[in-house]
Amino acid sequence: GENVEQHPSTLSVQEGDSAVIKCTYSDSASNYFPWYKQELGKRPQLIIDIRSNVGEKKDQRIAVTLNKTAKHFSLHITETQPEDSAVYFCAAGDNTGFQKLVFGTGTRLLVSP
Amino acid sequence: ETGVTQSPTHLIKTRGQQVTLRCSSQSGHNTVSWYQQALGQGPQFIFQYYREEENGRGNFPPRFSGLQFPNYSSELNVNALELDDSALYLCASSPGASSNQPQHFGDGTRLSIL
Repeated sequence: GENVEQHPSTLSVQEGDSAVIKCTYSDSASNYFPWYKQELGKRPQLIIDIRSNVGEKKDQRIAVTLNKTAKHFSLHITETQPEDSAVYFCAAGDNTGFQKLVFGTGTRLLVSP
Repeated sequence: ETGVTQSPTHLIKTRGQQVTLRCSSQSGHNTVSWYQQALGQGPQFIFQYYREEENGRGNFPPRFSGLQFPNYSSELNVNALELDDSALYLCASSPGASSNQPQHFGDGTRLSIL
């Protein structure tokens, strides 16, 4: 079955710096890659997603890139702010006919003022 | 637009008991998925319901079961509770059952087994 690896497990940056979180997946049939932000004690919040027919997607300070050949996808956050501090999860969804998302282990991002 | 709501927010049970968790899907969404999130880990897929039928299941034993109702709300039932069942249980809804539909999560039910 699908396996998603996520790195790094923790990431500390200064306010205004960029942050990059990387994920790899194992199942070449995966075709949907969402990213979720989860603040302490709160729900995972969908922040951006990308489908396999697209190589890059951007939404203001957030961008996601996908390399299908290497089975890599990455989250890029520019001009980080303290409120970006949270745990970020990548996930992969395959084409099995139903919506099973396989999640990475999470990255704890800390943005210091 | 009403988001995904779950109840209760917290629950304490003892080993061997049974529990029912509830989820109301986001307005316009007909598909509900349930996930288990252990402390410090990513959510793990339990199963999905579409049109009141289970149409996909993860690696969870049969004592995890569910229902979906005509209004698309859903229940997760867990029998014979074990200590390892302690986790945050998340419900996610989406506007369709195809694999690339975005899923939106509720706040979850934190279940503690003593």
